[in-house]
Amino acid sequence: GENVEQHPSTLSVQEGDSAVIKCTYSDSASNYFPWYKQELGKGPQLIIDIRSNVGEKKDQRIAVTLNKTAKHFSLHITETQPEDSAVYFCAASIASGSARQLTFGSGTQLTVLP
Amino acid sequence: DAGVIQSPRHEVTEMGQEVTLRCKPISGHNSLFWYRQTMMRGLELLIYFNNNVPIDDSGMPEDRFSAKMPNASFSTLKIQPSEPRDSAVYFCASRGSGIQFFGPGTRLTVL
Repeated sequence: GENVEQHPSTLSVQEGDSAVIKCTYSDSASNYFPWYKQELGKGPQLIIDIRSNVGEKKDQRIAVTLNKTAKHFSLHITETQPEDSAVYFCAASIASGSARQLTFGSGTQLTVLP
Repeated sequence: DAGVIQSPRHEVTEMGQEVTLRCKPISGHNSLFWYRQTMMRGLELLIYFNNNVPIDDSGMPEDRFSAKMPNASFSTLKIQPSEPRDSAVYFCASRGSGIQFFGPGTRLTVL
């Protein structure tokens, strides 16, 4: 089955700096790559996703890049703010029938220092 | 829409007791997922349903765990008997338009 590895497990940045989180996946058939943000005491919330037919997607301060050949994708957060502090999860999935089963990375605890 | 609704939000029980977690997916979503989150193992998929039918329950840890989805708007995850190692946060998620939405979770503590 699919295996997703995520690095780093913890990341501290100064407010205003950029943060980058990287993930690799094992199954070349994976074609959907979402990123979730989980704040303390809450469920994961989708912040951005990318499909395998594009190499980059941007939404304000957040961007995701995908390298299908190398089987890795990254989350980039620019101009970080204290409210960006949370655990971030990457995931990958293979469309299987009509239910998309996500395999999650192990998470990155991002701390933005004021 | 209120999003995915889970109840209870917190559950404290004693070892050996039966625990039932409940989930109401987002209306119109036809896929529902149950996850367990712990510090040691991260987010684990336990089981998922499509159109109320269980598709893959290979993540269910033991026969003590069971899940049902009697209709499109309700699902339960039951643990009987519960054990201290079952302590975790349990999330329900539903999928629509290709996107998976998570509920707020149920924090289960088994003493």
